[in-house]
Amino acid sequence: DSGVTQTPKHLITATGQRVTLRCSPRSGDLSVYWYQQSLDQGLQFLIQYYNGEERAKGNILERFSAQQFPDLHSELNLSSLELGDSALYFCASSGTGTDYETQYFGPGTRLLVL
Amino acid sequence: GNSVTQMEGPVTLSEEAFLTINCTYTATGYPSLFWYVQYPGEGLQLLLKATKADDKGSNKGFEATYRKETTSFHLEKGSVQVSDSAVYFCALSSSGAGSYQLTFGKGTKLSVIP
Repeated sequence: DSGVTQTPKHLITATGQRVTLRCSPRSGDLSVYWYQQSLDQGLQFLIQYYNGEERAKGNILERFSAQQFPDLHSELNLSSLELGDSALYFCASSGTGTDYETQYFGPGTRLLVL
Repeated sequence: GNSVTQMEGPVTLSEEAFLTINCTYTATGYPSLFWYVQYPGEGLQLLLKATKADDKGSNKGFEATYRKETTSFHLEKGSVQVSDSAVYFCALSSSGAGSYQLTFGKGTKLSVIP
């Protein structure tokens, strides 16, 4: 158990809909990263938050957004969903000590868009 | 930009066989290197890491050495078990404006047969 939790575990929705994925980092970790895992693109970095502020953006679509709240949990919002958004979405967290580069991953949310 | 290239899978080995999974990288600066493992239906678990040239990461019988001259971080295990069956991902982390986002290889699926 990494200490990172994600909900829900599975999500089935229809095209055009909007969903919210939730992530709670390990206790004390200030950074949250979001990744998308799909069969064709592999694992891709989407976005990072550090202590409530956006720190870096990767291959994140404009239809996707994220935020990190004062209690450090993070949400990834996916809107106007398309079939191609079906994927496994992971969040990861990292700390601020000597291990600051190591990311610990949650179990993921599997999204299926029908 | 940064990139990671892993040997194509799947790899099928008999129990107690020697394992090598090749990984090479392209990066600016001095990245940290990681191996993550994904068991069926689960999230990514950190297997081992190395943060500078000539460092050797090791865990659960797996080893990898950071070779700057050949830009490689090959994963090895002397005697694999059925329980090692999983997908293995090589990744690098390089800092950019305080972000340590990971760049992953495409993953190598390992199946170990009794």
